[in-house]
Amino acid sequence: AQSVAQPEDQVNVAEGNPLTVKCTYSVSGNPYLFWYVQYPNRGLQFLLKYITGDNLVKGSYGFEAEFNKSQTSFHLKKPSALVSDSALYFCAVRDKDTGGFKTIFGAGTRLFVKA
Amino acid sequence: GAVVSQHPSWVICKSGTSVKIECRSLDFQATTMFWYRQFPKQSLMLMATSNEGSKATYEQGVEKDKFLINHASLTLSTLTVTSAHPEDSSFYICSASLGTGTSYEQYFGPGTRLTVT
Repeated sequence: AQSVAQPEDQVNVAEGNPLTVKCTYSVSGNPYLFWYVQYPNRGLQFLLKYITGDNLVKGSYGFEAEFNKSQTSFHLKKPSALVSDSALYFCAVRDKDTGGFKTIFGAGTRLFVKA
Repeated sequence: GAVVSQHPSWVICKSGTSVKIECRSLDFQATTMFWYRQFPKQSLMLMATSNEGSKATYEQGVEKDKFLINHASLTLSTLTVTSAHPEDSSFYICSASLGTGTSYEQYFGPGTRLTVT
C-alpha cells in the first residue's frame, strides 16, 4: 500500500533563510513523487515531480526537491525563502508499477515565512 | 494552460436535497479526472477516479450511490451528492491529469465548499 508522511505540521522560517519541508513515502513498487502547494482560497498548484533520472528535481518558484531512494524521502527545499512562499504544501506519491493513477497525499505542512 | 474550473465555488443546501458540482478542464482534454474531499486541516482524500465514457472507480468506503459521478465528455465531470446530510459538508476538489500516462501531474480546480443544513 502507498503512504506518505509529512512529519511536520508547520515549519517556520525567516525570510531569506533556506527552507526544508520534509516528506517520506512508502510504495511497493517504484515511486512517482510530487509536490503541490495550496494558497488560501486557491486550488492546489503543481510545483515539481520526480519520475526518473536525476535525483535533484527543480520546479516552480525556485523550489527543488531531492529524491533519496535509500531513505525513501523527497524533501522540498528552497535556498532563500520569501514571505509569499507562506502556504500549505502537500507531498504526494503514485506507485509506478502497481498504483495506476491513484495518488496518495500527505497530511500537508504549513509553511510560515516571517519578514 | 492546464486550467481546471469548478462550479459552484460554494453551495448551501438543505438536508435531503441533492447538489451537483461541475468540474471542467478549460484548455485541455482530460481522459481521467479525480474527485477528492478535504476536511479542515487534513489532507485530500481520494473519492473516485473518473474516466471519460465509463463508470467511475470508487475508493473503499465511498458510497457510489450517494456520490454520483458522471464523466460525459473529455472536458466535463460532475459529482452529485444525493440526499445530502450535514456530515457531507466538506470541501470537494476535482483534478485532471494532463496526459494519459501515470507520470503526469494533476491540475486542480479551486474547490467547492458544500454546507448542508
